[in-house]
Amino acid sequence: DTGVSQDPRHKITKRGQNVTFRCDPISEHNRLYWYRQTLGQGPEFLTYFQNEAQLEKSRLLSDRFSAERPKGSFSTLEIQRTEQGDSAMYLCASRPEGETQYFGPGTRLLVL
Amino acid sequence: QKEVEQNSGPLSVPEGAIASLNCTYSDRGSQSFFWYRQYSGKSPELIMSIYSNGDKEDGRFTAQLNKASQYVSLLIRDSQPSDSATYLCAVRKYNAGNMLTFGGGTRLMVKP
Repeated sequence: DTGVSQDPRHKITKRGQNVTFRCDPISEHNRLYWYRQTLGQGPEFLTYFQNEAQLEKSRLLSDRFSAERPKGSFSTLEIQRTEQGDSAMYLCASRPEGETQYFGPGTRLLVL
Repeated sequence: QKEVEQNSGPLSVPEGAIASLNCTYSDRGSQSFFWYRQYSGKSPELIMSIYSNGDKEDGRFTAQLNKASQYVSLLIRDSQPSDSATYLCAVRKYNAGNMLTFGGGTRLMVKP
């Protein structure tokens, strides 16, 4: 499978715990995006990488969220001290030089 | 006012009919427009992109863009039950990151 992959697909955690998600983009795509989607809403932009550089970060992203893409390949998104409001689907997307963003299957987070 | 607005639906059409999905956007600097389909519990998948005023056809799908009216639509001809999904309109503004701003989606139900 040469598409975007995300791991884990599902995560249940208790409030206050830290969680980390991983995204592996399509191999030749140097641009990577994280979005968050809650039930009944469209995805909301969180952050954007071009190669290893984090070029944009949404104002929605609190300081409990951090993302990295250390070698310009896979990316991780960490949420510290999770809150119930963090429960959502976390989507990763990648794109090449062209316009189209290709989405991964998402990681569904439930914070109890 | 949300940047990208869609009627949440559900829009119900009989099998074989034309489904018409609409989207308005507020930022006149928006340059690129996308329609994604999202099945329940799955990630968005790209159906169409459109960049200039007018119509763009791809199989049973036609995207229409009117920048003066800040309006983009998607027509699905010969609707099939498998087309039942949420359709997300997404807009890209010209900026360094090229992230997408999504509407809330319209749920389409095609009844046999």
